[in-house]
Amino acid sequence: EAQVTQNPRYLITVTGKKLTVTCSQNMNHEYMSWYRQDPGLGLRQIYYSMNVEVTDKGDVPEGYKVSRKEKRNFPLILESPSPNQTSLYFCASSLGGPDYNSPLHFGNGTRLTVT
Amino acid sequence: KNQVEQSPQSLIILEGKNCTLQCNYTVSPFSNLRWYKQDTGRGPVSLTIMTFSENTKSNGRYTATLDADTKQSSLHITASQLSDSASYICVVSGQGAGKSTFGDGTTLTVKP
Repeated sequence: EAQVTQNPRYLITVTGKKLTVTCSQNMNHEYMSWYRQDPGLGLRQIYYSMNVEVTDKGDVPEGYKVSRKEKRNFPLILESPSPNQTSLYFCASSLGGPDYNSPLHFGNGTRLTVT
Repeated sequence: KNQVEQSPQSLIILEGKNCTLQCNYTVSPFSNLRWYKQDTGRGPVSLTIMTFSENTKSNGRYTATLDADTKQSSLHITASQLSDSASYICVVSGQGAGKSTFGDGTTLTVKP
């Protein structure tokens, strides 16, 4: 089944403890992206990748890192999480970039709580 | 600055009724406009994608329209069902852009 898989679904951690949220897609998509969603706010893009070894900042990249060493994987890394990074995170992928007219396929989300 | 404004912010309708959601944007040069449906706590799911040359596109009971001249789009839902209760998000992409501009969404509640 074609899908974007994020792990874990739920994560509770403490301030400053490094964590990684994994994202994997099995559709051979070029484009991958991370978003966060907070109550009352829309989806905000954190980082995106147009292809392997190519990553760029989105609208809210501070406090996050990403890597794209393989086409299928796009992990999100929080080196030193802080409470303001408590949020619902989504990974997404698509065949091409946003102007390629292909839909984004989203994962089921990771709910992160930083205490 | 690229912006996408959606209205209304929230909407409550009775099951079986129709409704229309609005999306206005300032993204330029325009490439495409997408509508997504997001159930609570789940990832968004694509409903339609429209390019400059398309002014209407349907997906079952969902029909999207696009007026590229006025930079407006609408999503019309016909004969609503309880399962239509969700957030509907309008996303606009510019040409050559690596990222899109997301609207804040319209929350639709369908009541029996």
